[in-house]
Formats: sequence, structure tokens, C-alpha cells
Amino acid sequence: GAGVSQTPSNKVTEKGKYVELRCDPISGHTALYWYRQSLGQGPEFLIYFQGTGAADDSGLPNDRFFAVRPEGSVSTLKIQRTERGDSAVYLCASSLYHPMNTEAFFGQGTRLTVV
Amino acid sequence: AQTVTQSQPEMSVQEAETVTLSCTYDTSENNYYLFWYKQPPSRQMILVIRQEAYKQQNATENRFSVNFQKAAKSFSLKISDSQLGDTAMYFCAFMKQGDDKIIFGKGTRLHILP
Repeated sequence: GAGVSQTPSNKVTEKGKYVELRCDPISGHTALYWYRQSLGQGPEFLIYFQGTGAADDSGLPNDRFFAVRPEGSVSTLKIQRTERGDSAVYLCASSLYHPMNTEAFFGQGTRLTVV
Repeated sequence: AQTVTQSQPEMSVQEAETVTLSCTYDTSENNYYLFWYKQPPSRQMILVIRQEAYKQQNATENRFSVNFQKAAKSFSLKISDSQLGDTAMYFCAFMKQGDDKIIFGKGTRLHILP
């Protein structure tokens, strides 16, 4: 595709359920980022992948959150035992290498609502 | 830790006017990058302009320009000849050189009025 694609666009789930959010980066982009944007806030960093490996996962809030990128392209953010506080827009971005070498392009996000 | 502060939660200006969005940041780093991102209702973050801290010259991109004051740790965005399509949330952001995470401010909601 031409840009970063995130699915689903919106997701409503019940408290305690498991969810998966998918990110399709721009083809050829080796760097991939997940951010979380709570209502009225700017995005907050969650995790950064360079290729298949998580180079920096310091932003993951707790062990209920996990992300994978098994083949170095598509990434999945997984949230176990969801809580109402997990409600937010989850943004994915990708870049050719590091964002300082090239621009990071963002997707349109997945709005997660935990009821 | 680095922080980014945007003191204007919301602003409105008439179409064709010039508007300036404020941003201050706090860091002990000397080498870093600053950004302004636009987020329309589609939620997609779009890079408007970026500034390398080692460059004294202010960055410009068509109608968008910045006033970068390194000593004051200030990084304002000026939008000239504002257009209806400029209506969006605008985020000021910081990244330390060599780091991989962007730190965003809370944003300024900008309304361009017809």
C-alpha cells in the first residue's frame, strides 16, 4: 500500500478481554513504532522495532502489553486482560531506517474502547 | 527527562491570517531534533516541519516556518496565509539525537474560520 495501514480502525471490547491491533508498514521500511494517544494528550511511545527485533520496549506500560513483528514487516500489538484505562488511539509509524535519517510516516490509528 | 509544553490548548483565526503556535521544551541535551506535527480528524499524524538543533537557520516549508530559540528552549510555529485545511491539532515534539522515541506535547487545537 501507499501508506501505513492499521486495522481495525475502531475496536470495542469488554474489560478483561484480549485484543490484537495490526500495523502494515510502508513496504521496505525497516523501522516500526507504536504509540498510544489518550484523550486530550499527545502520543506516547510504546515500542520500537528495527527489523524483527524490538530494539526499545521501554514505553510498554506493563506486562499485559506485548508486540511482535515476526517477519520484519507487519506488526501486531497485543493487549491481555484489557482495562478501561487502556482505551486510547494506538498509532503505528514506520520509517526507512531511523527517523533521524528519514521521516517517520504514521497510520490513522486504531481507536480502542474498553467497556 | 525531556518535556514538551504547549501552553495554548485551543486557538481560532480567520482564513488568510497569520497564526503562531507556541512550544517550549526542557532538555539537558545539546543535540536533538524538534518537530511540528499536524493531526486532522482522520487521526493521521503528518510531519509539518522539522528543525535540527545544531542548525541556527530557522526551518521553513512553504507557508510554515519556525522560530527556534535554542537558549530559551522555544520552538514556535508560524502559519502564514492560513487556509481552512489547516484546521487540525498541532503537536510540538522533541527527539534526542541517537534516540528512537519522539516526545510529544499535549497539542494545540487550531480552528481556521471562513
